[in-house]
Amino acid sequence: DSGVTQTPKHLITATGQRVTLRCSPRSGDLSVYWYQQSLDQGLQFLIQYYNGEERAKGNILERFSAQQFPDLHSELNLSSLELGDSALYFCASSVEGRTPYEQYFGPGTRLTVT
Amino acid sequence: GEDVEQSLFLSVREGDSSVINCTYTDSSSTYLYWYKQEPGAGLQLLTYIFSNMDMKQDQRLTVLLNKKDKHLSLRIADTQTGDSAIYFCAEISDSGYALNFGKGTSLLVTP
Repeated sequence: DSGVTQTPKHLITATGQRVTLRCSPRSGDLSVYWYQQSLDQGLQFLIQYYNGEERAKGNILERFSAQQFPDLHSELNLSSLELGDSALYFCASSVEGRTPYEQYFGPGTRLTVT
Repeated sequence: GEDVEQSLFLSVREGDSSVINCTYTDSSSTYLYWYKQEPGAGLQLLTYIFSNMDMKQDQRLTVLLNKKDKHLSLRIADTQTGDSAIYFCAEISDSGYALNFGKGTSLLVTP
């Protein structure tokens, strides 16, 4: 158990809908990262938050957004869902400012868009 | 970001050593990582190596880094059936903190 929790574990929804994925980082970790894992693209970095502020952006679509709240949990919002958004979404956390930037991953949320 | 390349599949017999290889292209990478993903599970951080090191050993795991060739390998000694999983090589990306992953190597350990 990495200490990173994600809910829900599975999500099935229809095209055009909007969903919210939730992540709680390990105790003491200020950074949260979101990654998408799909068969064709592999593991892709989406976005990073550090202590409530956006720190870095990767291959995140405009239809996707995220935020990190004062209690450090984070939510990833996916809207206008398409079939191609079906994937595993992972959250990871780390203590920034302390090398070697070990990132610990949650169990993931499997999103199926039908 | 830069591409991290791994072979897709490796099959070994139980008790043998496994060697999983990775090449990376970002010469500024400071840390390189190995993660393990079992079926239906998240990614587990196995080990990492700093770019000024050539080798790191951690119990059954040995990481070798050839910085000149940008080649990283993970050796698992006395491979067990429980080691069957997908192994990902990763480097720190251009953004500075996010990880840039390879496509993963699926390791199958047969009895």
